[in-house]
Amino acid sequence: DAKTTQPPSMDCAEGRAANLPCNHSTISGNEYVYWYRQIHSQGPQYIIHGLKNNETNEMASLIITEDRKSSTLILPHATLRDTAVYYCIVRGRTGGFKTIFGAGTRLFVKA
Amino acid sequence: GAGVSQSPSNKVTEKGKDVELRCDPISGHTALYWYRQSLGQGLEFLIYFQGNSAPDKSGLPSDRFSAERTGGSVSTLTIQRTQQEDSAVYLCASSLRGPATMNTEAFFGQGTRLTVV
Repeated sequence: DAKTTQPPSMDCAEGRAANLPCNHSTISGNEYVYWYRQIHSQGPQYIIHGLKNNETNEMASLIITEDRKSSTLILPHATLRDTAVYYCIVRGRTGGFKTIFGAGTRLFVKA
Repeated sequence: GAGVSQSPSNKVTEKGKDVELRCDPISGHTALYWYRQSLGQGLEFLIYFQGNSAPDKSGLPSDRFSAERTGGSVSTLTIQRTQQEDSAVYLCASSLRGPATMNTEAFFGQGTRLTVV
């Protein structure tokens, strides 16, 4: 599975959009990009995933560049409850979620 | 149940003792994963079960670690002769279909916090 690179931490003002970047320059054509988040002391929570096209759900939007080497998770109106560690992972066809979750990005939403 | 259930939520054990951690996946989910998360670190894959296939044990850190999944449902992770470096949160996840199906997210339990003293 392709490796991902994320900034260790980011700040965002409450009510503003939070844009979390992820680099996955070695992604292959059949690999999806998944985003999870982990709020303190809880298990990771699925947010969104995509292959090529931009995706949106009730939680977030996922923007994937045309060359698929990077993506951005967008929380349109961040709240204090969005403070968490956000993990970007690339999932290959074999091994399911065997991919190691890296350190992720610790997002601090401030009032 | 509605989600992945893990027990106990917290476990304190003495060095050298054996421990068993339990995971009850979402009903009908054929894939089950165990991960370990040390303080401030990302998730480390341990073992993966898919249906009746032999488990993928490639992430187990030593032969003191083992896991089984009975009847394709409940799984138990066993750590023998625990060491202080085994202290971590152990997370279980399940998903509806196996690795050949791409569009399947994994659902995580709340984890078991293991402390070896």
